Amino acid sequence: AQSVTQLGSHVSVSEGALVLLRCNYSSSVPPYLFWYVQYPNQGLQLLLKYTTGATLVKGINGFEAEFKKSETSFHLTKPSAHMSDAAEYFCAVSDKNNDMRFGAGTRLTVKP
Amino acid sequence: KAGVTQTPRYLIKTRGQQVTLSCSPISGHRSVSWYQQTPGQGLQFLFEYFSETQRNKGNFPGRFSGRQFSNSRSEMNVSTLELGDSALYLCASRRHTTDTQYFGPGTRLTVL
Repeated sequence: AQSVTQLGSHVSVSEGALVLLRCNYSSSVPPYLFWYVQYPNQGLQLLLKYTTGATLVKGINGFEAEFKKSETSFHLTKPSAHMSDAAEYFCAVSDKNNDMRFGAGTRLTVKP
Repeated sequence: KAGVTQTPRYLIKTRGQQVTLSCSPISGHRSVSWYQQTPGQGLQFLFEYFSETQRNKGNFPGRFSGRQFSNSRSEMNVSTLELGDSALYLCASRRHTTDTQYFGPGTRLTVL
């Protein structure tokens, strides 16, 4: 069975600082990995996804993530945080049948 | 192209009642999935419909049911509501079951 673990339910950074949100996955087959963002009272918006190919994936709003098979990780980063990045972020894993499993989420706070 | 739409956005019901939520997928998308999101349990998969057939089902009681129409619109029904059913119900659509899911804004259900 697939699963993801997001390390840290809350992360706080200063505006302009590096954002690092951690995600580790468990999968018995080559995984598809996703990061979604959720703003208050809204649905989930896809930030980026990894299926096959290049392990460094660039997404929207300046975010990127690197698939590291040896570490079973798919951490999300952004070089410089903006106030507008404050939201909840979800890592998700699916198999080829696309049965998706989400992590518990990480709430990102950006301090001025 | 219009996104996934869900109606109503907010709903208040009392215990024992039943409720029907609606989801209109992105044009051309034939798969619709439903998720329940609560602070305690996070995002949990309810079921997925593809071309009017239930393709997959999560671990929820039979009080939770759904259907999909020939135009790909989907409805979710919860009977005999319980306080614990209070949640944000998210719908996601995709063209095929191997594609990326796109989420709607959700329906916030409150059970009193």
